[in-house]
Amino acid sequence: AQSVTQLGSHVSVSEGALVLLRCNYSSSVPPYLFWYVQYPNQGLQLLLKYTSAATLVKGINGFEAEFKKSETSFHLTKPSAHMSDAAEYFCAVTYTGGFKTIFGAGTRLFVKA
Amino acid sequence: DTAVSQTPKYLVTQMGNDKSIKCEQNLGHDTMYWYKQDSKKFLKIMFSYNNKELIINETVPNRFSPKSPDKAHLNLHINSLELGDSAVYFCASSHMSPTGGPRYTEAFFGQGTRLTVV
Repeated sequence: AQSVTQLGSHVSVSEGALVLLRCNYSSSVPPYLFWYVQYPNQGLQLLLKYTSAATLVKGINGFEAEFKKSETSFHLTKPSAHMSDAAEYFCAVTYTGGFKTIFGAGTRLFVKA
Repeated sequence: DTAVSQTPKYLVTQMGNDKSIKCEQNLGHDTMYWYKQDSKKFLKIMFSYNNKELIINETVPNRFSPKSPDKAHLNLHINSLELGDSAVYFCASSHMSPTGGPRYTEAFFGQGTRLTVV
């Protein structure tokens, strides 16, 4: 069965430090993978997506993620954290012909001044 | 213009009542969803509709009845509300691409409806 695991429900970094949010997936077919961000009291906004093209995907706000098939991972990174990056981040995988997207449990990112 | 809009944004109601949440998308997408987000932020798909047809029903109690009058709308009606139904409900939409490109677009989400059952 397809699933998504996000390691760490909370991640805290200092402003200017590297952000690394981990995501591993299981899928019996090539997946479509996504990272979404959710700010308080808002809906989810797409950060970036992997759709079997380039394995290194660049998204909005300076985020990027690398698809590693051998590790079944799709970790999200940003070289330098900003206070405005504090939010909930969700990794997701789409399958079942595109009609079902499974979300990870989310990682809350805290950014310290 | 809001791409995926839900109404109402907040809904407070008593146990046993029946309520509806409406969702509309103006993106021309052919697939719409309802998700439930619990107090721990966990997102779980409830229903998926493609071209007005129910595709996914994730063992949701039959007190929850989605209705899609057309491709741009997917409403959620909930009967006999229970305390455990309190959550944020998100509507989303996406599109199946023609062959030759990525098959599916990402899902676009509404702002959510915070349902509180008292």
